[in-house]
This record gives sequence, structure tokens and C-alpha cells, in this order.
Amino acid sequence: KAGVTQTPRYLIKTRGQQVTLSCSPISGHRSVSWYQQTPGQGLQFLFEYFSETQRNKGNFPGRFSGRQFSNSRSEMNVSTLELGDSALYLCASSLAGGTYEQYFGPGTRLTVT
Amino acid sequence: GQQVMQIPQYQHVQEGEDFTTYCNSSTTLSNIQWYKQRPGGHPVFLIQLVKSGEVKKQKRLTFQFGEAKKNSSLHITATQTTDVGTYFCAGAQGGKLIFGQGTELSVKP
Repeated sequence: KAGVTQTPRYLIKTRGQQVTLSCSPISGHRSVSWYQQTPGQGLQFLFEYFSETQRNKGNFPGRFSGRQFSNSRSEMNVSTLELGDSALYLCASSLAGGTYEQYFGPGTRLTVT
Repeated sequence: GQQVMQIPQYQHVQEGEDFTTYCNSSTTLSNIQWYKQRPGGHPVFLIQLVKSGEVKKQKRLTFQFGEAKKNSSLHITATQTTDVGTYFCAGAQGGKLIFGQGTELSVKP
């Protein structure tokens, strides 16, 4: 089976812009979770989608949003980018749900200047 | 808020020495998972523990889940250079996976 794929792999944006990141889960996985990874804060949970519904959300401002399509592919959007949004954004898919074995994608490295 | 504390933050060992990382939660966990992230890579699932007092082994790696389901440990016997990376625990709480800060392991040959 193909692994989790994320596009783009690298992105440079300017403060105030918005960005959309994409994630394609492993075939058959209906749960997709998003995480933000920074050196200072570690891995922080953003949200989980299961069968197109957001099941859980972490403690991030409303500028961070996501959605999931009927084919389980997911997108994450960040509006009005801030310098502090620079991070590695990891998508993970799971067969059983967001609190079970997660298969991570390679991540999207976002730099905000 | 929900937190999973992990120590130590860094560990430098000589090849052949043992290594242990510890995780602690203030609340009871539904399960605890361990992941390994190599430098420049992404987290890779190692194992999941569900039962109180559970102990699981994978070759030189031993994983334990505490009796109260609030703490866990990962022990590596006789480290090798291939063990280099950051080890994360992740506790399941309230429908979410809460990751510890990770322990970065370096191994000197």
C-alpha cells in the first residue's frame, strides 16, 4: 500500500497570506489527523476528521481549519499567517481513529516570513 | 490542560549502553503509543499499550504501561547507532492523542 502523501512538501509564505495543505491518507483509512510540529512545542494536535466530519479539535485559533472529502483526502487551511505559524505540519491517517496507531506523512514544511 | 510529560529531553550514550525514556500523565490514559522520528523524518509508530501493567518487547526494546495507566517507559538494551532519533510517547485522552515532548537519543560509536 502507498503511504500517506502530503503536498506541497515545502512552502514559503508572507505574513497575512493564507495557505492550504493537502493530505492523502492510506487507502482504506477514514481517519485523518493533523499535527503541528515545532522545536519549542513538540507535536501539537490540530484536529481529526473521520468520514468527512471533524471529530476532535485541539487548542488552536480559528485561523486553522480543515476539511475532509468523500475519498478521505483532507486539506488544512491557515488564514492570516503569522510568523509563529512556521512549522512542520504533519498529517496522519489511521484505520481505527485518531487515538490509535497513526501513520504519518512526510509533512509540509511551512516558513512564514 | 491535558499534558504528557516526557523525560529526559536529551540522552547521549555510548554504543552498547542502555537507554530509558519516561512518560507521565496527570490523568488516566486509554492507551499509550510510542513513536520514533529519525532526523529529518516523520514519526513512525512503534507500539501501543492498552492494559494496566502491560509489558511488551520488540527485540532490544521493552515498553511498559503503569498500573494506574498514567505512566509509561521505553527501555532500549545495548543501544546501536541505528537507534538514533527522537522517541515520543503519545497518550490517548478525551479522543485525542497528546504527545510528549520527546527524548532525543544520540549514540556515539
